[in-house]
Amino acid sequence: GENVEQHPSTLSVQEGDSAVIKCTYSDSASNYFPWYKQELGKRPQLIIDIRSNVGEKKDQRIAVTLNKTAKHFSLHITETQPEDSAVYFCAASTSGDKLTFGTGTRLAVRP
Amino acid sequence: DTAVSQTPKYLVTQMGNDKSIKCEQNLGHDTMYWYKQDSKKFLKIMFSYNNKELIINETVPNRFSPKSPDKAHLNLHINSLELGDSAVYFCASSQTLPPGELFFGEGSRLTVL
Repeated sequence: GENVEQHPSTLSVQEGDSAVIKCTYSDSASNYFPWYKQELGKRPQLIIDIRSNVGEKKDQRIAVTLNKTAKHFSLHITETQPEDSAVYFCAASTSGDKLTFGTGTRLAVRP
Repeated sequence: DTAVSQTPKYLVTQMGNDKSIKCEQNLGHDTMYWYKQDSKKFLKIMFSYNNKELIINETVPNRFSPKSPDKAHLNLHINSLELGDSAVYFCASSQTLPPGELFFGEGSRLTVL
């Protein structure tokens, strides 16, 4: 089955700096790669996703890039703000199959 | 209106007891899931139902039994609770099987003493 590795497990940045979280996946058939944000004590919520026919997707301060050849994808957050502090999960799936989550990255944005 | 709601939010119980968690979604989605999040925050899928039919059953002990009376409800019953069952259990739904957004409930924190 699919295996998703995520790095780093913790990340601390100064407010205004950029943050990058990287994930690798094992199943070359995977074609859907979402990112979820989980604030402390809250539910995970989708922030951005990308499909395998696209190399990059942006939504305001967040962007995701996908390298299918290398089987890795990354989340980029620019101009970080304290409200970006949360645990971020990457995930991967093939069509009609379960979503496999990475192990999470705890992001702390220092004011 | 809460999209995916689960009850109870907190459960504290003794080892060996049986407990249930209920989940309901009002999004009209066809697919519902149970995920377990342990103390290290790992999110692991346990079960998935599509139109009341079990489609994913990960390597979960038989003490865990999901039930879907209709496509808007997915309940989880746990028998003979063990210390290792302590976790936050999230119900989720999606319009169809992946790819597609998962909508999570607020989670049910289970503590086994």
